[in-house]
Amino acid sequence: GESVGLHLPTLSVQEGDNSIINCAYSNSASDYFIWYKQESGKGPQFIIDIRSNMDKRQGQRVTVLLNKTVKHLSLQIAATQPGDSAVYFCAERMDSSYKLIFGSGTRLLVRP
Amino acid sequence: EPEVTQTPSHQVTQMGQEVILRCVPISNHLYFYWYRQILGQKVEFLVSFYNNEISEKSEIFDDQFSVERPDGSNFTLKIRSTKLEDSAMYFCASSEEKAGSNYGYTFGSGTRLTVV
Repeated sequence: GESVGLHLPTLSVQEGDNSIINCAYSNSASDYFIWYKQESGKGPQFIIDIRSNMDKRQGQRVTVLLNKTVKHLSLQIAATQPGDSAVYFCAERMDSSYKLIFGSGTRLLVRP
Repeated sequence: EPEVTQTPSHQVTQMGQEVILRCVPISNHLYFYWYRQILGQKVEFLVSFYNNEISEKSEIFDDQFSVERPDGSNFTLKIRSTKLEDSAMYFCASSEEKAGSNYGYTFGSGTRLTVV
């Protein structure tokens, strides 16, 4: 999910289908990863997180997969709904730091 | 559900003026943060604040910026002598533990700052 300036990559899916949003993170030393959802005019909203000692974590309708070998994070959304339409950001952090480093974001559009 | 509250939602200011962005973190949270997002770009870390002092700051957070927790509930970001490039959405966040480990941050809805 890399982007340049205003041009966010966009994923368009049919309502009811599964969505997979990908993220390439930057720091192989990161210990903790989070997926955020951002709706227009709102702040980022926590979806799901995973620590670096795990490769998969499941929530309600969402699953995060972590591949540390290639520094890749993905978010899977099952049975995508219109309310899932938003921009999705991955973020990473090292335990030694207070800051989250955000990725560029992917826009998810759900077609009814 | 507890929320992080930010005021104002939109602030327009003239270049060179000072602005103060206000935030009320979640009451039992101990760690506070400011981030900004220039239109269409990534969310960027500015500063973290814990135990009444800055715990970490980014290169963006230069002498133009300052943060303060003036009382037990508010957390403010002051931008002195604003520049056009300071125009962005500014998000306040708070967390119960350091950097939201295993909890995630809670972000406010943001203040849109427009410098003209």
